Amino acid sequence: DGGITQSPKYLFRKEGQNVTLSCEQNLNHDAMYWYRQDPGQGLRLIYYSQIVNDFQKGDIAEGYSVSREKKESFPLTVTSAQKNPTAFYLCASRNRGRGNQPQHFGDGTRLSIL
Amino acid sequence: GQQLNQSPQSMFIQEGEDVSMNCTSSSIFNTWLWYKQEPGEGPVLLIALYKAGELTSNGRLTAQFGITRKDSFLNISASIPSDVGIYFCAGPGSPNYGGATNKLIFGTGTLLAVQP
Repeated sequence: DGGITQSPKYLFRKEGQNVTLSCEQNLNHDAMYWYRQDPGQGLRLIYYSQIVNDFQKGDIAEGYSVSREKKESFPLTVTSAQKNPTAFYLCASRNRGRGNQPQHFGDGTRLSIL
Repeated sequence: GQQLNQSPQSMFIQEGEDVSMNCTSSSIFNTWLWYKQEPGEGPVLLIALYKAGELTSNGRLTAQFGITRKDSFLNISASIPSDVGIYFCAGPGSPNYGGATNKLIFGTGTLLAVQP
């Protein structure tokens, strides 16, 4: 089955700890994205990558880091510098090569602070 | 910066009723997307619109790309309990979606609750 897999579904972070959220896609999509969703709010873009070994900051990149070493993988690290990390994190991907293709989403990771 | 205003914020309706929601932008879009998100899940694409005036259906859902290119509408006919969720509109964060940035801007969502 083709799709976007995010893991884990739930994650707990201690103060001062870095945690990494996984996002894997087998859709052969070029572009991948990370969003943050807070209760009652829309999605805000953290980072995005249009091609392997390249990524750009979104609107709320502070306290986060990413890598794109493989086309199918775009992990997000929430660093200790992110003072309010509790949120629902969504990964998306898109095929750039066929016109205005929409983004498709994984099922999210809920991150909480212990 | 670009903003998307989505209304209403929430709707509480009876099963069988029709639903309308809309989204307006401060700038012109060349693409409108409508997503539905259920609790604890990621958004799922419902309808994609690419042309001003376009009217597209997906089962009981119908969406329209406004002729001014600054708005879009989503209608749900004969609602059922499984229509419950948050509906988001989204549009490109750059003048030409599919171009350099591929960024999307999302509305704040419309929460739909359907009473059986």
